[in-house]
Amino acid sequence: SYELTQPPSVSVSPGQTARITCSGDALPKKYAYWYQQKSGQAPVLVIYEDSQRPSGIPERFSGSSSGTMATLTISGAQVEDEADYYCYSTDSSGNPLFGGGTKLTVL
Amino acid sequence: QVQLVESGGGLVKPGGSLRLSCAASGFIFSDYYMSWIRQAPGKGLEWVSSISTSGSTIFYVDSVKGRFTISRDNAKNSLYLQMNSLRAEDTAVYYCAGYYYDSSLDFWGQGTLITVSS
Repeated sequence: SYELTQPPSVSVSPGQTARITCSGDALPKKYAYWYQQKSGQAPVLVIYEDSQRPSGIPERFSGSSSGTMATLTISGAQVEDEADYYCYSTDSSGNPLFGGGTKLTVL
Repeated sequence: QVQLVESGGGLVKPGGSLRLSCAASGFIFSDYYMSWIRQAPGKGLEWVSSISTSGSTIFYVDSVKGRFTISRDNAKNSLYLQMNSLRAEDTAVYYCAGYYYDSSLDFWGQGTLITVSS
């Protein structure tokens, strides 16, 4: 079955660039999306269709995808960016599919 | 504004049943596929089930097949999840979410907690 693989954790100091990767065999054919989830809250979409940023999302959030790897980049990470980040795509039936999630620590 | 409000969560014994509801407003409910997504305590997001705009196409994750039933009532702008034969591993926050087919989950509820314990 199709899977999306993320690192469990990433840690950066404030102001540094954080990069979170997501690998999946179908990513060359499917868009990658990224959700941010803070403790006790519902997920929020921060990147859609590989590299598009929804309105209201800070410019420091960007996305890219090449081959089987998608990457979420947070340039100049801030303390308030500390959260869990989930890579998302869809499976062969068009159903939602999540990566395991990456805990971003900014300190 | 867009709202998805889940209800029906609570504490249930193993083997018991619950019915979750999700009331939608602020968007054209019948234009969107709907899903139930769950998150066990301290764990990641897991897709549970999806239903097409008309309700004619339904999918489930393998672990709930034969136990959970998703349905929708477009006239009432509502989504449902009937959960039978509940197990401890079904303990989670359950979110309803709306999306266009094969695209991102655009709308999310705030979730409702299901605890399966004796």
